[in-house]
Amino acid sequence: DSGVTQTPKHLITATGQRVTLRCSPRSGDLSVYWYQQSLDQGLQFLIQYYNGEERAKGNILERFSAQQFPDLHSELNLSSLELGDSALYFCASSVEEAGNTIYFGEGSWLTVV
Amino acid sequence: AQSVTQLGSHVSVSEGALVLLRCNYSSSVPPYLFWYVQYPNQGLQLLLKYTTGATLVKGINGFEAEFKKSETSFHLTKPSAHMSDAAEYFCAVQGAQKLVFGQGTRLTINP
Repeated sequence: DSGVTQTPKHLITATGQRVTLRCSPRSGDLSVYWYQQSLDQGLQFLIQYYNGEERAKGNILERFSAQQFPDLHSELNLSSLELGDSALYFCASSVEEAGNTIYFGEGSWLTVV
Repeated sequence: AQSVTQLGSHVSVSEGALVLLRCNYSSSVPPYLFWYVQYPNQGLQLLLKYTTGATLVKGINGFEAEFKKSETSFHLTKPSAHMSDAAEYFCAVQGAQKLVFGQGTRLTINP
């Protein structure tokens, strides 16, 4: 158990819909990261937050957005869903110092039908 | 920008044989390097990491990796494979806090 909690574990939704994925970081970790894992793209970094502020942005679509709340939990919002958005979405957290381990949750499986 | 290349998307070894998973990195600054393992239907678990100091790094489950700056490599090895080692393995380099992953190597263990 990494200490990073993600909900829901599985989600099936239709094209055009919107979903929210939720993440609770490890106790004491101020940084939260979101990654997308798909068969064709591999593990892609989406976005990072540190103590409520956006810190880095990767290959995140404009239809996707995220935020980190004062209690440090984070949400990833995916809208106008397309079939190609079907993937495993990971949340990870760390103490933000170079070389520190980034701990991953077990992921949220999103299937768009 | 940092990047990682894992050589071989699939590796198959016999139980008891040496496991060697290859990773080469590109980094403009001294790299921090990681190996993660993903078992079926699970998240990513850290196997080991290199930050500074000793270039031979020991991790969990009998795995180790050696940082070779001259070869820009960070290959993962295990002397004797177990059936339980079957999983996907990811090499990663840390760039600006976030991790940049390779494409992964799926390890299959033959009985």
